[in-house]
Amino acid sequence: QSVLTQPPSASGTPGQRVTISCSGSSSNIGSNYVYWYQQLPGTAPKLLIYRNNQRPSGVPDRFSGSKSGTSASLAISGLRSEDEADYYCAAWDDSLNWVFGGGTKLTVL
Amino acid sequence: EVQLVESGGGLVKPGGSLRLSCAASGFTFSSYSMNWVRQAPGKGLEWVSSISSSSSYIYYADSVKGRFTISRDNAKNSLYLQMNSLRAEDTAVYYCATETPGTGGMDVWGQGTTVTVSS
Repeated sequence: QSVLTQPPSASGTPGQRVTISCSGSSSNIGSNYVYWYQQLPGTAPKLLIYRNNQRPSGVPDRFSGSKSGTSASLAISGLRSEDEADYYCAAWDDSLNWVFGGGTKLTVL
Repeated sequence: EVQLVESGGGLVKPGGSLRLSCAASGFTFSSYSMNWVRQAPGKGLEWVSSISSSSSYIYYADSVKGRFTISRDNAKNSLYLQMNSLRAEDTAVYYCATETPGTGGMDVWGQGTTVTVSS
């Protein structure tokens, strides 16, 4: 059972906009930044969004993050086949540990 | 090129020990906090442990506290994870990852090393 709650799956067709939610608590998302990671099949995770809504260089602006209270979301617009991957949210918890969501498997139909 | 390369994984019996290493190159290793994150087969990511740049701050997940020890040698640009009293549920791919001040997130990851705990 992951500390952060994500839907196990999401899907969309090419060109669509998809959102993935992440729910936490006051000790993690509610008081710290949210991070999003993308894991393509068979590869290591990659930082996609940092500090709630910032993109590292090289990440397309099709990816955006937001946070409100104890929840966060990742939005992917203009969905492409190469976006098919697992997506994880993460946050530092005030009990001095990183917590991750269980992951959302995104399927591009 | 910024790179992290893990090694030391393998097959070990329950109750056994293993030491993982992570060799860093292409950046000033001594300036960054480091993490170990694992992924059990077919499962999600689980944070294991963090160590600050000068080893002043060390944190562990409850699931490994008292059994695993994280350490680093900045002179050798290396991160370590000593794993004792291993259990079947420790079976996973173990990744090392940097935690840079600029993002606060884990923005460089190694390719992972596989640990299998089985009799």
